[in-house]
Amino acid sequence: AQTVTQSQPEMSVQEAETVTLSCTYDTSESDYYLFWYKQPPSRQMILVIRQEAYKQQNATENRFSVNFQKAAKSFSLKISDSQLGDAAMYFCAYHGGATNKLIFGTGTLLAVQP
Amino acid sequence: DTAVSQTPKYLVTQMGNDKSIKCEQNLGHDTMYWYKQDSKKFLKIMFSYNNKELIINETVPNRFSPKSPDKAHLNLHINSLELGDSAVYFCASSQQTMNTEAFFGQGTRLTVV
Repeated sequence: AQTVTQSQPEMSVQEAETVTLSCTYDTSESDYYLFWYKQPPSRQMILVIRQEAYKQQNATENRFSVNFQKAAKSFSLKISDSQLGDAAMYFCAYHGGATNKLIFGTGTLLAVQP
Repeated sequence: DTAVSQTPKYLVTQMGNDKSIKCEQNLGHDTMYWYKQDSKKFLKIMFSYNNKELIINETVPNRFSPKSPDKAHLNLHINSLELGDSAVYFCASSQQTMNTEAFFGQGTRLTVV
């Protein structure tokens, strides 16, 4: 069965600094997608970035980028120039070809200090 | 225009009661889901429907019964509510391909007292 692990329950970053959130996963599938979702205090789940497993190039969305290491099954999220609005719970998620569902990690609570 | 809407946002009820949560999506997606987020914020899938057909049922007690009258709606009915059912329940929808994101509703916070 596929699993997703986020080993950092909480992280803190100063405004304008860079922070990296870690995620590892386990799967025997070769075709899958990985996602980072953000959940602010409003509770809404918001997609931050996605990565296709067959693409070697790391995905980037403005200040958000990933470091995807397929062999190591690692998928970390880098947030550059952190802003107060980035404070939220961040979830790493896996979606494989065998089952039509997202499998989530346990989340990392990010605090942004002014 | 809300893409995935759930009602109600908050639900407080007594043990033993029966309650329903409604979900509607206007994105034209084929697949809809129910996820449960527990007090530790862990998100786990409960059910998945594709074109009104149940395709995933993740060992959820049979007190929970999803119903999909059409592919734009997926409701969740819960019988004989227990204290442990207190959680946030999210509805989501997506196209039935893994590269598309799932769009989530705003969640329903259920509190059983």
